[in-house]
Amino acid sequence: DAKTTQPNSMESNEEEPVHLPCNHSTISGTDYIHWYRQLPSQGPEYVIHGLTSNVNNRMASLAIAEDRKSSTLILHRATLRDAAVYYCIPSEYGNKLVFGAGTILRVKS
Amino acid sequence: DAGVTQSPTHLIKTRGQHVTLRCSPISGHKSVSWYQQVLGQGPQFIFQYYEKEERGRGNFPDRFSARQFPNYSSELNVNALLLGDSALYLCASSRGIGGTYEQYFGPGTRLTVT
Repeated sequence: DAKTTQPNSMESNEEEPVHLPCNHSTISGTDYIHWYRQLPSQGPEYVIHGLTSNVNNRMASLAIAEDRKSSTLILHRATLRDAAVYYCIPSEYGNKLVFGAGTILRVKS
Repeated sequence: DAGVTQSPTHLIKTRGQHVTLRCSPISGHKSVSWYQQVLGQGPQFIFQYYEKEERGRGNFPDRFSARQFPNYSSELNVNALLLGDSALYLCASSRGIGGTYEQYFGPGTRLTVT
């Protein structure tokens, strides 16, 4: 399993963009990069995933470095409901997701 | 469409007892995975099933077992409960297996072992 490094916590102001970084230097060539988040007292929620190209969906954007050793999850306008733990997870085989400690995102109003 | 459902929501068991947790995947999803989340930690992978076959197993003792039924629902069984088994048990479903598929998680079953 690829090891990941994420900041323990980050803080953002409401309505501002947030860039959540993740280093995954040991990622294999076939690992997809998944991002999930977990709000308090809820199960994890899928956010976005990608392989090589940058990806956009209604929730966020994912920017993947050219060498794939790092990625950045971008929330374009943070809201209070985005306060959660964000997990970056390289995933290849099956759906075995290996959750690390993640980044606690705090959003200030 | 209904999301992943799990039952029961909460339960309390005594050490040494057995417990069965149930999961219904999203319609059309053929893979179910189980995770254990101890308070303050990220979820830990327990099992993955796809088309009724076990396709992955995490580092959990043999007291943990699971199965998937023809309708793709799944059960997680834990025998000889220990205090350390107290956790949130999460079920996730996906259309298939492989890194290209996202998983959708249920709300979890909170198990307390006394």
